[in-house]
Amino acid sequence: EPEVTQTPSHQVTQMGQEVILRCVPISNHLYFYWYRQILGQKVEFLVSFYNNEISEKSEIFDDQFSVERPDGSNFTLKIRSTKLEDSAMYFCASSVRGSNQPQHFGDGTRLSIL
Amino acid sequence: GESVGLHLPTLSVQEGDNSIINCAYSNSASDYFIWYKQESGKGPQFIIDIRSNMDKRQGQRVTVLLNKTVKHLSLQIAATQPGDSAVYFCAEKLGGYQKVTFGTGTKLQVIP
Repeated sequence: EPEVTQTPSHQVTQMGQEVILRCVPISNHLYFYWYRQILGQKVEFLVSFYNNEISEKSEIFDDQFSVERPDGSNFTLKIRSTKLEDSAMYFCASSVRGSNQPQHFGDGTRLSIL
Repeated sequence: GESVGLHLPTLSVQEGDNSIINCAYSNSASDYFIWYKQESGKGPQFIIDIRSNMDKRQGQRVTVLLNKTVKHLSLQIAATQPGDSAVYFCAEKLGGYQKVTFGTGTKLQVIP
């Protein structure tokens, strides 16, 4: 069964450094997403991406965050200047369409900011 | 590792029994609902979904019930197995939006 893959599984970064999290969505999916889950808390929506542009974003997704689809298979989340509170699990997801279709998630990247 | 933040409600069931996990969703305008299963160290795994024009949907060993009057969702798992042990999240979505809003989760423990 096709799946969303994320790399790395664990990223440790010094506060203030830039970090790029990578995802390969399911190949025939058109909508891509990033979510995060702070330890012991709910999964929270960050951003959705369709047709090479952001289609929706949350208040968490401020100017420190950006997303990109650099080629036909990868989807990335960049955090420009990391803060301690950015430590979380970051999940990438994809769906065939944007509405009334399940979003399928990868296993996440654990981001630890020191 | 130790969890901080939300304390998850826990449901303990005997292997072979049926499980019912309940969820109160937040927005009466939500029109699409999903149940996800999350095992330790993994991402949310899609189980079953239901649209707001339905009140029941069945899958393999799972049934989702939707009561829009009281904004309530339930997930029924038949003949619960040890592999069903996980945290289960209900999630909702507003029509016309892509954002999925997750609930707090319920931890299901299956006793062999």
